[in-house]
Amino acid sequence: TQLLEQSPQFLSIQEGENLTVYCNSSSVFSSLQWYRQEPGEGPVLLVTVVTGGEVKKLKRLTFQFGDARKDSSLHITAAQPGDTGLYLCAGGPLESGNTPLVFGKGTRLSVIA
Amino acid sequence: GAGVSQSPSNKVTEKGKDVELRCDPISGHTALYWYRQRLGQGLEFLIYFQGNSAPDKSGLPSDRFSAERTGESVSTLTIQRTQQEDSAVYLCASSFGTGGGYEQYFGPGTRLTVT
Repeated sequence: TQLLEQSPQFLSIQEGENLTVYCNSSSVFSSLQWYRQEPGEGPVLLVTVVTGGEVKKLKRLTFQFGDARKDSSLHITAAQPGDTGLYLCAGGPLESGNTPLVFGKGTRLSVIA
Repeated sequence: GAGVSQSPSNKVTEKGKDVELRCDPISGHTALYWYRQRLGQGLEFLIYFQGNSAPDKSGLPSDRFSAERTGESVSTLTIQRTQQEDSAVYLCASSFGTGGGYEQYFGPGTRLTVT
């Protein structure tokens, strides 16, 4: 069974600070997705990374897929209160066929103004 | 276009009663997923449907839980003889296919409270 471990589980920071959250596994994934979930809503996709070593930027968010495609990180620069939410990583299994994404348990971020 | 919709948005039921939760996926999406999210927790996979293949029920926590899907459209998650530990938000998602290349589009969830 493939598992994704996210850390930290909780993070509370002041507005303007930088932060990094991690998504790690002992398994290789075909791709890695990051979702953000705000209170009372379903998760929304932020980015998909598919190539080992790939880096993608989305405004103040930087996503990296590890060279071995076993881990990923999300770095937020100058965090804003609007960044508050639950950040979930999800890995695409290597097996072909009908195998769904594997979700981590999430990092709950609180940015205080 | 319309996103994934779920109904009801909130459901309060008494312990021991049965409940049905509905999910309308995005038209054309062949894959449909159900997840459970307890307060302050991540997503717990329950079941998914892919086209006409047999559903993957490996995440269902007990035989009180079941789900059906009509073709590639509406799905219903049924919880029989509800227990207080069933209280959670139940999220439905759909995608064009399964696996890492496909984004999952989530509905807003149904908040179930068992009293």
